[in-house]
Amino acid sequence: DAMVIQNPRYQVTQFGKPVTLSCSQTLNHNVMYWYQQKSSQAPKLLFHYYDKDFNNEADTPDNFQSRRPNTSFCFLDIRSPGLGDAAMYLCATSRDTGRMYEQYFGPGTRLTVT
Amino acid sequence: SQQGEEDPQALSIQEGENATMNCSYKTSINNLQWYRQNSGRGLVHLILIRSNEREKHSGRLRVTLDTSKKSSSLLITASRAADTASYFCATEPTMDSSYKLIFGSGTRLLVRP
Repeated sequence: DAMVIQNPRYQVTQFGKPVTLSCSQTLNHNVMYWYQQKSSQAPKLLFHYYDKDFNNEADTPDNFQSRRPNTSFCFLDIRSPGLGDAAMYLCATSRDTGRMYEQYFGPGTRLTVT
Repeated sequence: SQQGEEDPQALSIQEGENATMNCSYKTSINNLQWYRQNSGRGLVHLILIRSNEREKHSGRLRVTLDTSKKSSSLLITASRAADTASYFCATEPTMDSSYKLIFGSGTRLLVRP
């Protein structure tokens, strides 16, 4: 089945230790998104790629970066995780069909910072 | 700032009852979508309603959209325990051409068996 896959599902890292979360998709969608979601809150968009074009949200900290080496894969790098970065990180994709589109989400990676 | 606000924040009903969740937003939109999220999981798309539509149905789901009031409602009929989840509305603002959705704060629905 076509899907969005996130690895790992659970990630524990130490304060200040760089961590990379990965997302892959078999949907061949041209848009990929990274969201941060804290407990009982709405998903917060960090950035998205339209093909290889990177679009950063104005309030995304510099500590967060992303790479998209090809259509299928996208990575979220947290250079120096702080305790406040503990959250669920959601990857999503969508296909540009004009203006009407839905997003397909992966299961998320829950990040713990110790 | 957050585009969508949802009401109520939490809802507890008995199995078989109907559940109604409301969403309000601030700017003009191209479409409004509803998503469901089970605890600890990703979001699942439920339904999309375009700005020129007023009502849409999908199985036990009924969505209405009132663009004059900038509001939408999601009705789940004959609820089941398996409907227990958080429900989020998400809007695609008209003025923003960067393929983004703005998510509301969500309604946590508990359906008691």
